Amino acid sequence: SQQGEEDPQALSIQEGENATMNCSYKTSINNLQWYRQNSGRGLVHLILIRSNEREKHSGRLRVTLDTSKKSSSLLITASRAADTASYFCATPPTSGSRLTFGEGTQLTVNP
Amino acid sequence: DVKVTQSSRYLVKRTGEKVFLECVQDMDHENMFWYRQDPGLGLRLIYFSYDVKMKEKGDIPEGYSVSREKKERFSLILESASTNQTSMYLCASSPPGRYEQYFGPGTRLTVT
Repeated sequence: SQQGEEDPQALSIQEGENATMNCSYKTSINNLQWYRQNSGRGLVHLILIRSNEREKHSGRLRVTLDTSKKSSSLLITASRAADTASYFCATPPTSGSRLTFGEGTQLTVNP
Repeated sequence: DVKVTQSSRYLVKRTGEKVFLECVQDMDHENMFWYRQDPGLGLRLIYFSYDVKMKEKGDIPEGYSVSREKKERFSLILESASTNQTSMYLCASSPPGRYEQYFGPGTRLTVT
């Protein structure tokens, strides 16, 4: 079964608005990652947050992690049409480097 | 920048054919992975490798095999392609001790 589950499955917003995507996971983790995938392309790593961190920023991205609720959120501020993509959370086991991906949130930013 | 390349963007094969998907990374990464991606099922791990000549089964290895003769190259083999192997195949690599993965552009395989 999938470790991570993103919510919502699809999100449509206007350019300039903020987009928030959520991820829930089932087992203990030592980090959680977010990836972006443009249509028909490979995934691109966006940000990694460790289990002892609660919040992390990278440019217009803000990620939070709540290990007590086993959940994470990705916030994209001041969205642009170029942010249109699918966004995935991914978690590794406590040992080893293989990742388990959720099914993704499809974000559409309308110009 | 890390570069992961895959031999084909699009591939059409017939049922029963042997299919080779090649993946090459140029950053001396030890870890390499093969996934398939299907609508509604997300990314599923087929096989991975932590070193040359080493392989581990992922979640859905049935019908697939892999080869890693050189550190930079990881091949996925479909011994006898079937229509249910029509999918997007993604290769990724990661350096030792690091968790983030670097993906290739993907190969969209159609088996008819």
